[in-house]
Amino acid sequence: KNEVEQSPQNLTAQEGEFITINCSYSVGISALHWLQQHPGGGIVSLFMLSSGKKKHGRLIATINIQEKHSSLHITASHPRDSAVYICAGENSGGSNYKLTFGKGTLLTVNP
Amino acid sequence: DAGVTQSPTHLIKTRGQQVTLRCSPKSGHDTVSWYQQALGQGPQFIFQYYEEEERQRGNFPDRFSGHQFPNYSSELNVNALWLGDSALYLCASSLWGESSTEAFFGQGTRLTVV
Repeated sequence: KNEVEQSPQNLTAQEGEFITINCSYSVGISALHWLQQHPGGGIVSLFMLSSGKKKHGRLIATINIQEKHSSLHITASHPRDSAVYICAGENSGGSNYKLTFGKGTLLTVNP
Repeated sequence: DAGVTQSPTHLIKTRGQQVTLRCSPKSGHDTVSWYQQALGQGPQFIFQYYEEEERQRGNFPDRFSGHQFPNYSSELNVNALWLGDSALYLCASSLWGESSTEAFFGQGTRLTVV
């Protein structure tokens, strides 16, 4: 069983819509990363969260430590936001950056 | 400041052959982690190198081996290639002991085994 579960797997939205992608993780994960992957493969880091909420432009990430749940929100979505969004858990206990990835959410934003 | 660089970007190999993939970490980073991403899946941790030693390993067979050089760059070697080894291989760099920081990934090497 994967330690990091994402939903939904696929998401289609119209330009301007508010988007939410969810991520649940298991015990032993001390920090949660949100990553963006475009066709071609390169991965870009969006956020790293261990508590609270972070905002960057139209992107907002939240984490609830007690519920072991994180969400990535995109406000006023745009076709250029179309990509795969992946959450990844960083294992605690001095693991030095071993990440456990969710399967990703394929987001398509239509004009 | 160059980020994480990987080479080659694409590679086609025949079943049974051996392959070597290369990764240079971001400037200032000393730890390299390798991941395999099959089509439609999230990346899976292969192993991690620090101080030229393998420090952690995921659930991959011994056909997968690696090396880290004194300049912190790293190689991933796969022997006796299977068709199922076809995937995107990603390299991530970090600073040992500094967990919970931003992730830095290379663009990946897409390996196709025919």
